[in-house]
Amino acid sequence: DVKVTQSSRYLVKRTGEKVFLECVQDMDHENMFWYRQDPGLGLRLIYFSYDVKMKEKGDIPEGYSVSREKKERFSLILESASTNQTSMYLCASSRTSGSYTQYFGPGTRLTVL
Amino acid sequence: GESVGLHLPTLSVQEGDNSIINCAYSNSASDYFIWYKQESGKGPQFIIDIRSNMDKRQGQRVTVLLNKTVKHLSLQIAATQPGDSAVYFCAESDGSQGNLIFGKGTKLSVKP
Repeated sequence: DVKVTQSSRYLVKRTGEKVFLECVQDMDHENMFWYRQDPGLGLRLIYFSYDVKMKEKGDIPEGYSVSREKKERFSLILESASTNQTSMYLCASSRTSGSYTQYFGPGTRLTVL
Repeated sequence: GESVGLHLPTLSVQEGDNSIINCAYSNSASDYFIWYKQESGKGPQFIIDIRSNMDKRQGQRVTVLLNKTVKHLSLQIAATQPGDSAVYFCAESDGSQGNLIFGKGTKLSVKP
């Protein structure tokens, strides 16, 4: 079974703090994604990566950065957290060819106070 | 509790009945479609997929139908159970870059 894990299920941070969200997948997938999910807005793509050290902006990259130093790990960084970044953050991974199915982690519920 | 189900269309069915959840997709070039299930407090879970060269695919208690003429996708769940209560959403891909476009979702509520 594909397994995608995220470092925290729940996280509470203060405005201005630097926040790291970690994601690890164990299926040797090339692609990894970070989304945020908010009521009424669905899944919105923040950043994605097709390979180690490669990154591409998604639909809402502002206020975020990412790092992919190893194939299995994709980190999302909030340089200076703000209250409007309170959300559910979901990581996903997929293969480059064959199936485009993305497999999701359990999510991190981030609250910024 | 999980708030992902707020503001979504809701389908309420009786336990044991069949459920049909619909999705209209946007890109006529999309060639791959997926249905996901998201339970409260969890990440989306893959249910079933279908390629554009097919119009029907069956899994365990689930069937996906694809109508490319009207760009419509549906998920049928047979003998719906309380454990099927969740938000269901479709996703489409045109094969470029591996990105998916996700629908907003439908909340399925199963009454015992």
